[in-house]
Amino acid sequence: NAGVTQTPKFRVLKTGQSMTLLCAQDMNHEYMYWYRQDPGMGLRLIHYSVGEGTTAKGEVPDGYNVSRLKKQNFLLGLESAAPSQTSVYFCASAEGASIEQYFGPGTRLTVT
Amino acid sequence: LAKTTQPISMDSYEGQEVNITCSHNNIATNDYITWYQQFPSQGPRFIIQGYKTKVTNEVASLFIPADRKSSTLSLPRVSLSDTAVYYCLVGVYNNAGNMLTFGGGTRLMVKP
Repeated sequence: NAGVTQTPKFRVLKTGQSMTLLCAQDMNHEYMYWYRQDPGMGLRLIHYSVGEGTTAKGEVPDGYNVSRLKKQNFLLGLESAAPSQTSVYFCASAEGASIEQYFGPGTRLTVT
Repeated sequence: LAKTTQPISMDSYEGQEVNITCSHNNIATNDYITWYQQFPSQGPRFIIQGYKTKVTNEVASLFIPADRKSSTLSLPRVSLSDTAVYYCLVGVYNNAGNMLTFGGGTRLMVKP
Protein backbone atom coordinates (compact mmCIF):
# COMPACT_ATOMS: atom_id res chain seq x y z
CA ASN A 1 0.00 0.00 0.00
CA ALA A 2 1.96 3.00 -1.29
CA GLY A 3 -0.50 5.65 -0.07
CA VAL A 4 -0.12 8.90 -2.02
CA THR A 5 2.65 9.14 -4.60
CA GLN A 6 3.74 12.11 -6.69
CA THR A 7 5.64 12.28 -9.96
CA PRO A 8 8.15 13.81 -10.52
CA LYS A 9 9.99 14.59 -7.28
CA PHE A 10 11.96 17.49 -8.77
CA ARG A 11 11.63 19.57 -11.90
CA VAL A 12 13.20 22.69 -13.35
CA LEU A 13 11.27 24.63 -15.99
CA LYS A 14 11.98 27.71 -18.03
CA THR A 15 9.45 30.51 -18.04
CA GLY A 16 6.66 29.74 -20.47
CA GLN A 17 7.13 25.97 -20.50
CA SER A 18 4.34 23.64 -19.55
CA MET A 19 4.23 20.52 -17.45
CA THR A 20 1.93 18.13 -15.65
CA LEU A 21 2.32 16.84 -12.11
CA LEU A 22 0.81 13.46 -11.39
CA CYS A 23 -0.68 12.39 -8.09
CA ALA A 24 -1.79 8.82 -7.51
CA GLN A 25 -3.43 7.22 -4.48
CA ASP A 26 -4.21 3.57 -3.84
CA MET A 27 -6.57 4.04 -0.88
CA ASN A 28 -9.74 4.39 -2.96
CA HIS A 29 -10.25 7.90 -1.58
CA GLU A 30 -12.95 10.09 -3.07
CA TYR A 31 -11.37 13.46 -2.32
CA MET A 32 -8.07 14.69 -3.70
CA TYR A 33 -6.26 18.02 -3.32
CA TRP A 34 -3.35 20.00 -4.70
CA TYR A 35 -1.50 22.45 -2.45
CA ARG A 36 1.56 24.61 -2.88
CA GLN A 37 3.98 25.55 -0.16
CA ASP A 38 6.36 28.47 -0.50
CA PRO A 39 9.50 28.65 1.69
CA GLY A 40 8.67 29.21 5.36
CA MET A 41 4.95 29.36 4.65
CA GLY A 42 1.95 27.18 5.24
CA LEU A 43 0.22 25.25 2.49
CA ARG A 44 -2.28 26.92 0.19
CA LEU A 45 -4.97 25.01 -1.65
CA ILE A 46 -4.84 25.26 -5.46
CA HIS A 47 -7.61 22.93 -6.65
CA TYR A 48 -9.47 19.97 -5.28
CA SER A 49 -11.78 17.18 -6.38
CA VAL A 50 -14.62 15.47 -4.51
CA GLY A 51 -14.86 12.61 -6.96
CA GLU A 52 -13.95 11.22 -10.37
CA GLY A 53 -14.75 13.72 -13.09
CA THR A 54 -15.19 16.68 -10.72
CA THR A 55 -12.85 19.54 -9.86
CA ALA A 56 -13.15 22.81 -7.98
CA LYS A 57 -11.02 25.88 -7.32
CA GLY A 58 -9.21 26.42 -4.09
CA GLU A 59 -7.52 29.49 -2.66
CA VAL A 60 -4.91 30.08 -5.39
CA PRO A 61 -6.12 28.49 -8.66
CA ASP A 62 -4.80 31.02 -11.21
CA GLY A 63 -2.22 29.62 -13.60
CA TYR A 64 -3.12 25.99 -12.89
CA ASN A 65 -5.53 23.45 -14.33
CA VAL A 66 -6.48 20.03 -13.01
CA SER A 67 -8.17 16.87 -14.17
CA ARG A 68 -9.57 13.83 -12.38
CA LEU A 69 -10.31 11.33 -15.15
CA LYS A 70 -9.69 8.36 -12.90
CA LYS A 71 -10.54 8.10 -9.23
CA GLN A 72 -7.00 7.24 -8.25
CA ASN A 73 -5.27 10.01 -10.19
CA PHE A 74 -5.31 13.79 -9.89
CA LEU A 75 -3.28 15.78 -12.40
CA LEU A 76 -2.06 19.35 -11.95
CA GLY A 77 -1.06 21.25 -15.07
CA LEU A 78 0.90 24.42 -15.60
CA GLU A 79 0.25 25.72 -19.12
CA SER A 80 2.79 28.54 -19.09
CA ALA A 81 5.10 28.40 -16.09
CA ALA A 82 6.13 31.60 -14.31
CA PRO A 83 8.85 32.18 -11.70
CA SER A 84 6.09 32.91 -9.16
CA GLN A 85 5.10 29.25 -9.45
CA THR A 86 8.41 28.11 -7.98
CA SER A 87 7.28 26.13 -4.97
CA VAL A 88 6.83 22.70 -3.44
CA TYR A 89 3.61 21.06 -4.56
CA PHE A 90 1.81 18.59 -2.34
CA CYS A 91 -1.01 16.30 -3.27
CA ALA A 92 -3.37 14.87 -0.67
CA SER A 93 -6.34 12.54 -0.54
CA ALA A 94 -9.11 11.90 1.95
CA GLU A 95 -11.86 9.37 2.47
CA GLY A 96 -15.08 11.21 1.83
CA ALA A 97 -15.74 14.03 4.25
CA SER A 98 -12.99 12.88 6.60
CA ILE A 99 -10.89 15.61 8.13
CA GLU A 100 -7.78 13.48 7.87
CA GLN A 101 -5.96 14.16 4.65
CA TYR A 102 -3.06 11.95 3.54
CA PHE A 103 -0.25 13.83 1.88
CA GLY A 104 2.26 12.79 -0.74
CA PRO A 105 6.01 13.48 -0.49
CA GLY A 106 5.86 16.61 -2.62
CA THR A 107 7.27 17.86 -5.93
CA ARG A 108 9.87 20.61 -5.84
CA LEU A 109 9.40 22.84 -8.88
CA THR A 110 11.75 25.62 -9.90
CA VAL A 111 10.84 28.01 -12.71
CA THR A 112 13.72 30.10 -14.06
CA LEU B 1 -12.76 29.66 7.64
CA ALA B 2 -11.64 31.00 11.00
CA LYS B 3 -8.19 32.55 11.16
CA THR B 4 -5.72 31.02 13.57
CA THR B 5 -2.79 32.51 15.45
CA GLN B 6 0.08 30.42 16.79
CA PRO B 7 3.57 31.18 18.10
CA ILE B 8 6.09 31.20 15.29
CA SER B 9 8.57 28.99 17.11
CA MET B 10 9.19 27.14 20.36
CA ASP B 11 12.18 25.39 21.87
CA SER B 12 12.09 22.45 24.23
CA TYR B 13 14.30 19.68 25.58
CA GLU B 14 13.96 15.95 25.31
CA GLY B 15 11.63 14.45 27.86
CA GLN B 16 9.68 17.66 28.49
CA GLU B 17 6.00 18.20 27.85
CA VAL B 18 5.32 20.76 25.14
CA ASN B 19 2.13 22.80 24.91
CA ILE B 20 1.39 24.77 21.76
CA THR B 21 -1.54 27.15 21.97
CA CYS B 22 -3.59 28.31 19.03
CA SER B 23 -6.01 31.25 19.07
CA HIS B 24 -9.12 31.18 16.90
CA ASN B 25 -11.36 33.96 18.16
CA ASN B 26 -13.76 33.78 15.20
CA ILE B 27 -14.43 30.06 15.37
CA ALA B 28 -17.91 29.16 14.17
CA THR B 29 -20.35 26.78 15.79
CA ASN B 30 -19.75 24.02 13.24
CA ASP B 31 -15.97 24.36 13.12
CA TYR B 32 -13.62 21.62 14.25
CA ILE B 33 -10.04 22.11 15.39
CA THR B 34 -7.37 20.02 13.73
CA TRP B 35 -3.62 19.78 14.16
CA TYR B 36 -1.11 18.62 11.59
CA GLN B 37 2.62 17.94 11.89
CA GLN B 38 5.14 18.51 9.11
CA PHE B 39 8.72 17.28 9.04
CA PRO B 40 11.23 18.91 6.68
CA SER B 41 10.82 17.82 3.07
CA GLN B 42 7.64 15.88 3.82
CA GLY B 43 3.95 16.49 3.50
CA PRO B 44 1.89 17.28 6.61
CA ARG B 45 0.56 14.46 8.76
CA PHE B 46 -2.71 14.51 10.70
CA ILE B 47 -2.18 14.43 14.48
CA ILE B 48 -5.45 15.06 16.24
CA GLN B 49 -8.86 16.68 15.91
CA GLY B 50 -11.46 17.87 18.37
CA TYR B 51 -14.59 19.94 18.85
CA LYS B 52 -14.65 20.64 22.59
CA THR B 53 -13.15 19.63 25.96
CA LYS B 54 -10.30 17.13 25.67
CA VAL B 55 -9.24 14.61 23.09
CA THR B 56 -6.35 12.21 23.51
CA ASN B 57 -4.71 9.72 21.19
CA GLU B 58 -1.43 7.82 21.14
CA VAL B 59 0.45 10.88 19.90
CA ALA B 60 -0.98 13.94 21.62
CA SER B 61 -3.75 15.55 23.61
CA LEU B 62 -5.91 18.45 22.53
CA PHE B 63 -7.45 20.76 25.11
CA ILE B 64 -10.32 23.03 24.09
CA PRO B 65 -11.91 25.40 26.63
CA ALA B 66 -15.64 25.96 26.80
CA ASP B 67 -15.58 29.15 24.70
CA ARG B 68 -13.54 27.36 21.98
CA LYS B 69 -11.64 30.53 21.14
CA SER B 70 -8.35 28.76 21.66
CA SER B 71 -6.93 25.27 21.83
CA THR B 72 -3.75 23.69 23.15
CA LEU B 73 -1.87 20.82 21.60
CA SER B 74 0.05 18.89 24.25
CA LEU B 75 2.94 16.61 23.33
CA PRO B 76 4.06 14.48 26.28
CA ARG B 77 7.75 13.76 26.79
CA VAL B 78 9.03 15.02 23.45
CA SER B 79 12.02 13.51 21.70
CA LEU B 80 14.36 14.86 19.04
CA SER B 81 12.13 13.28 16.39
CA ASP B 82 9.28 15.60 17.39
CA THR B 83 11.17 18.53 15.87
CA ALA B 84 8.74 19.72 13.20
CA VAL B 85 6.27 22.41 12.25
CA TYR B 86 2.85 22.10 13.87
CA TYR B 87 -0.21 23.59 12.18
CA CYS B 88 -3.50 24.45 13.83
CA LEU B 89 -6.48 24.47 11.47
CA VAL B 90 -10.06 25.42 12.07
CA GLY B 91 -12.89 24.72 9.69
CA VAL B 92 -16.04 22.90 8.75
CA TYR B 93 -15.66 19.43 7.38
CA ASN B 94 -18.40 18.50 4.98
CA ASN B 95 -19.08 17.09 1.57
CA ALA B 96 -18.13 20.37 -0.08
CA GLY B 97 -14.49 19.39 -0.08
CA ASN B 98 -13.02 19.93 3.37
CA MET B 99 -10.66 22.68 2.34
CA LEU B 100 -7.90 23.04 4.87
CA THR B 101 -6.40 26.47 5.48
CA PHE B 102 -2.86 26.29 6.79
CA GLY B 103 -1.35 29.27 8.60
CA GLY B 104 2.34 29.70 9.26
CA GLY B 105 2.48 27.01 11.93
CA THR B 106 4.72 26.69 14.99
CA ARG B 107 8.25 25.52 14.44
CA LEU B 108 9.16 23.27 17.38
CA MET B 109 12.82 22.58 18.02
CA VAL B 110 13.58 19.80 20.50
CA LYS B 111 17.10 19.90 21.90
CA PRO B 112 19.05 17.10 23.57
